[in-house]
Amino acid sequence: AQSVTQPDIHITVSEGASLELRCNYSYGATPYLFWYVQSPGQGLQLLLKYFSGDTLVQGIKGFEAEFKRSQSSFNLRKPSVHWSDAAEYFCAVGAMEYGNKLVFGAGTILRVKS
Amino acid sequence: EAGVAQSPRYKIIEKRQSVAFWCNPISGHATLYWYQQILGQGPKLLIQFQNNGVVDDSQLPKDRFSAERLKGVDSTLKIQPAKLEDSAVYLCASSLGLTGIGQETQYFGPGTRLLVL
Repeated sequence: AQSVTQPDIHITVSEGASLELRCNYSYGATPYLFWYVQSPGQGLQLLLKYFSGDTLVQGIKGFEAEFKRSQSSFNLRKPSVHWSDAAEYFCAVGAMEYGNKLVFGAGTILRVKS
Repeated sequence: EAGVAQSPRYKIIEKRQSVAFWCNPISGHATLYWYQQILGQGPKLLIQFQNNGVVDDSQLPKDRFSAERLKGVDSTLKIQPAKLEDSAVYLCASSLGLTGIGQETQYFGPGTRLLVL
């Protein structure tokens, strides 16, 4: 069965520090991968996506993610966090074989301290 | 370009009552999705439409939930009767729906927050 694991429920980082949010997936197909961000009371905003090609993808707001097939991971990174990055982050996985259906992780809540 | 629209944004009802949510996808998007997001969890797909046909409703509790997309544009999701465990955010998303390419980005609306008392 398809599954996505985000091991960290909460992460707190200082403003200006680097950030890495972990995502591991279990999928019986060639996956395509997404990171979404959700601010309180808001819908999901797409940060970045990986479909194929270069395994390091750049997204909006200075985020990047690296697809590592051997580790079944798609970790999200940012070199310097801003207070406005405080939100909940969701990793999602889909595949054409599954009709474009997305399976989401449980999310990681990011807190930024000044 | 207008995004995915949803209404209402908030709804409070008592258990056993009925409720309906409305979604208007991005213009030209053939595929529409309804997700349920329970507090502390990621969104879970309830139903997926391609135009006005159902692609996947395997996780829709069909004894109480129903959804339709009659003209292949707007969609409504209904719960009747509601239970306490239906308290959640209901998210609507849409994508272009170009069949066969398998690489589609889903765009989400702001959601409807439902509280069942």
